[in-house]
Amino acid sequence: DTGVSQDPRHKITKRGQNVTFRCDPISEHNRLYWYRQTLGQGPEFLTYFQNEAQLEKSRLLSDRFSAERPKGSFSTLEIQRTEQGDSAMYLCASSLARTGLYEQYFGPGTRLTVT
Amino acid sequence: AQSVTQPDIHITVSEGASLELRCNYSYGATPYLFWYVQSPGQGLQLLLKYFSGDTLVQGIKGFEAEFKRSQSSFNLRKPSVHWSDAAEYFCAVDPMDTGRRALTFGSGTRLQVQP
Repeated sequence: DTGVSQDPRHKITKRGQNVTFRCDPISEHNRLYWYRQTLGQGPEFLTYFQNEAQLEKSRLLSDRFSAERPKGSFSTLEIQRTEQGDSAMYLCASSLARTGLYEQYFGPGTRLTVT
Repeated sequence: AQSVTQPDIHITVSEGASLELRCNYSYGATPYLFWYVQSPGQGLQLLLKYFSGDTLVQGIKGFEAEFKRSQSSFNLRKPSVHWSDAAEYFCAVDPMDTGRRALTFGSGTRLQVQP
């Protein structure tokens, strides 16, 4: 069990560019979550997948954001036409959807800076 | 509205002193409750969780938390703080009334430890 991994760890981009982040969950976990954390705040839910199905999207997830989990394993989060307000830490978490097992395990995050 | 409140933004304690971090939630039913710790620039590590049963739960790194239904609280405690405990601590709830299991986080408490 290698834990949840995220790539890249840091990304600096210019406003208007597109960026894509990757998350690899713990191998047997079927649920995968994306959260966003801004400075001085707790993480806020963006979206989640059960296997390859995207089951819910937060209203925080504007049309410029898209997430995929094509084979029910790794996931990508893409932000198109980035804005300075997108600067944040993007956290991925995974869990096993089974009665009695509800813990989410987080990756190290991708810190995005939009200049 | 459903919410999680951590009243203390910043706490400073001396090494070896005891610690209590407060967390209050506002939900219709008893949610699942979690404490996470985040070191600078890192993801979140699960310290402990409460689902049901014994209201005093033990976690990793010598932490414990007590669930008090009457006060809608889930305070984190440690009898003797170590310098390595300096970090940000987040209380989180899973409301249980949806299927998605996304967590709602408080805004965090930053712990400083004085030598």
